Amino acid sequence: ETGVTQTPRHLVMGMTNKKSLKCEQHLGHNAMYWYKQSAKKPLELMFVYNFKEQTENNSVPSRFSPECPNSSHLFLHLHTLQPEDSALYLCASSQEWQIHQPQHFGDGTRLSIL
Amino acid sequence: DQQVKQNSPSLSVQEGRISILNCDYTNSMFDYFLWYKKYPAEGPTFLISISSIKDKNEDGRFTVFLNKSAKHLSLHIVPSQPGDSAVYFCAATRGSTLGRLYFGRGTQLTVWP
Repeated sequence: ETGVTQTPRHLVMGMTNKKSLKCEQHLGHNAMYWYKQSAKKPLELMFVYNFKEQTENNSVPSRFSPECPNSSHLFLHLHTLQPEDSALYLCASSQEWQIHQPQHFGDGTRLSIL
Repeated sequence: DQQVKQNSPSLSVQEGRISILNCDYTNSMFDYFLWYKKYPAEGPTFLISISSIKDKNEDGRFTVFLNKSAKHLSLHIVPSQPGDSAVYFCAATRGSTLGRLYFGRGTQLTVWP
């Protein structure tokens, strides 16, 4: 079973829609992350949750709203997105929010904003 | 301002030869470095890491070298195999930010028979 599962794999939405991305990890980790990868740009950290508490918000616009109901699940709620938000959104998890712990990534959701 | 740089967007190597992927960083506070590999339509997969207290770490065919004075690290793959063809990302972090990874843009490695 894949360690970190993201759904959906692809999403096309209009700028006025509301949708959610889901991430689930089966690794027993306590820290979860959302990253954004735009074309020709490096991965950018968006949010970090450690033991269900948000520990990092990397100046992400409020049209992105994360939710972490438990250590195994992470959501990214989307509303009134802009065309420049089209990107690959990756979820990751690690044992804890601490150094020397590699992060394990899901396969991502490819988001396209019309 | 990008703190981790991979200046070669692509590298092509013959099977059996050595692949050397390079990465430079600007933040002298970084103390832990990682390499990830990414196949198309998949997420990045952790490959190997190195702490700043070391200058070399080896795992099978993969070796990472760290030159702190030059703020440079490299990933060596010996021997290269066609299955190694992927995008390789370098990442770095520092103790005070715990877990916040700074990524390079990646290098596409192609290993041809």
